[in-house]
Parts: sequence; structure tokens; C-alpha cells
Amino acid sequence: GAGVSQSPRYKVAKRGQDVALRCDPISGHVSLFWYQQALGQGPEFLTYFQNEAQLDKSGLPSDRFFAERPEGSVSTLKIQRTQQEDSAVYLCASSLVGGAKDTQYFGPGTRLTVL
Amino acid sequence: GESVGLHLPTLSVQEGDNSIINCAYSNSASDYFIWYKQESGKGPQFIIDIRSNMDKRQGQRVTVLLNKTVKHLSLQIAATQPGDSAVYFCAEAKSNAGNMLTFGGGTRLMVKP
Repeated sequence: GAGVSQSPRYKVAKRGQDVALRCDPISGHVSLFWYQQALGQGPEFLTYFQNEAQLDKSGLPSDRFFAERPEGSVSTLKIQRTQQEDSAVYLCASSLVGGAKDTQYFGPGTRLTVL
Repeated sequence: GESVGLHLPTLSVQEGDNSIINCAYSNSASDYFIWYKQESGKGPQFIIDIRSNMDKRQGQRVTVLLNKTVKHLSLQIAATQPGDSAVYFCAEAKSNAGNMLTFGGGTRLMVKP
């Protein structure tokens, strides 16, 4: 069956531009997560949704980062006024029910490069 | 795709040998642990998990060992194959503290034919 999909796969932005990254979770999955992965490092948690409710946004690095999931399915991570330090792979994951012990399935990621 | 793990510790093994990848986790309150495999240009792929009330769990060709006393986790891969070449991450979670996973730094496994 279809896994988690993300688009675009690659995004190049000039410093100061706004970007929007899309995540399509596995159909029927209640929980959705965003992670940021710098080159050579493990993913770091950004934010978590259960259905349309954003229950945890403690990992968002600044108020330039904003995520939404208005209908409890597709999610968008928006970064305003991008900076060079925002360059990373942005991973989306979904899980069926939620809870720390529910397996998270990851998408391929969006590679963001800020020039 | 982009390269994952340019500066990660590397384990190089011969095809057919067994591999052992180690991970030290940070939080003694963590009660759930997962191993993920990440190939270049792809997202992390679930391999195996273990709960803190266990010290060993086996899957197909893989075994995870948990030592809570020293906060150490290991992944053993039997009869390593070229397709096992990837970066491996351990992750930990606390079931009473939200749903986020905390990932370790990763190890690159290279399998020589």
C-alpha cells in the first residue's frame, strides 16, 4: 500500500523566502509528526498532530516555523523568512493511533537548501 | 539523493558476517526503544523495537538487546548482506511524555562483498 509521501522532494530557496512543505500520511493514520534532520545527524522532533489538533510544538526552533493539518489528513510545514541554518531534510512520519509505542512510518523527506 | 551520515562512525563488515551496532541512550526514564535503518535519499525505515520490560527481542535476522543498567542498546544483524548497507539510528521514547522520538547519532554500516 501507499506509504507516507512528501513534496517537493527538493526545494532551493533564497534567504528570506517563505517555503511550504507538504506531507501526505498513510490513509487512516491519526498521528502525524514532523522532524528536522541536519546532514550527518539523527532526526530531531519538531511537532506532532493528533487528527487536526497540534498537541506538541515544543521542537519548532522559532516562530518562523508553522505547521497545520486542518482536516486531519494532509499537513503543511511552513517556514517564513528562511535562513541558511534552516537547510536540512524535513521528515514527516505518521502512526495509526498515536502514543509513544505506536510505530512511526517515515516519508522520504524534503531536502531544503537555503542559499 | 542526498548522502546521509557523512561524519558518522562507520562499521565495515564482510558479507555473511554478523554485525553489531551499539547505541547509548540518554534518558533513564525512556521505556520504549526502536532501531531505524536509513538509506541514502530515503526516510528512516522501522526495523525492530523493544520495551523496557524486556532485555532481548528477535526478528528476522535481527536481534535487539537492551541493558537498562548502563543505558545501552544494541542491534545484531545476522549474515549481513549488501542490502543492509545504510545508516542505523536508535531512538527512544517515554510513554508518559508525549509521542516524540529522540534519535541517537547513527552508525553507518558498510558491507563488503
